[in-house]
Amino acid sequence: EDKVVQSPLSLVVHEGDTVTLNCSYEVTNFRSLLWYKQEKKAPTFLFMLTSSGIEKKSGRLSSILDKKELFSILNITATQTGDSAVYLCAVERSGGGADGLTFGKGTHLIIQP
Amino acid sequence: ETGVTQTPRHLVMGMTNKKSLKCEQHLGHNAMYWYKQSAKKPLELMFVYNFKEQTENNSVPSRFSPECPNSSHLFLHLHTLQPEDSALYLCASSQGRDSGKLFFGSGTQLSVL
Repeated sequence: EDKVVQSPLSLVVHEGDTVTLNCSYEVTNFRSLLWYKQEKKAPTFLFMLTSSGIEKKSGRLSSILDKKELFSILNITATQTGDSAVYLCAVERSGGGADGLTFGKGTHLIIQP
Repeated sequence: ETGVTQTPRHLVMGMTNKKSLKCEQHLGHNAMYWYKQSAKKPLELMFVYNFKEQTENNSVPSRFSPECPNSSHLFLHLHTLQPEDSALYLCASSQGRDSGKLFFGSGTQLSVL
């Protein structure tokens, strides 16, 4: 059975801090790992990672995948209160598409002013 | 605005009621999904529709009945629900069934009394 474990489950930091969110996984026939940000209700897509060691970057957010050690990290630098959200990690099984997505429980990040 | 609209935003129903959740996507996608999100649990896939055809039913109880009249609209009909069905119900769409990149609606927060 595919498995995704995110840590920490919750995190409180001050504005301006840098945070690192972790996602480890076990999946049969790995295809990709995805990060989503869930503010209020609707998760929104952040990154899709398929290759090991290649960093994806968008502004202050970046993510990298280690396919050998079966984990990914999501980094947020110079955090702002608008970064407060639940960050979801999901892994996709080859041939599964969204049918083959397994989500983690999420990391609830709170940025204090 | 993610291009996926869900109504209603909130719903309170008794165990003997019948209600329906509605989802509409304006992205020209071919696949649509229903997910259930309960507190402290990962997102659970309920149903998948690809080109209006149901391709996945993850052992969901028959008190949940999906309907997909066309590629842009998706419904979830609810009847004789149980209190443990209280959760956030999220609709999502993707370009095709083989894409793990999902676009989510804002969800319906359902409370069953």
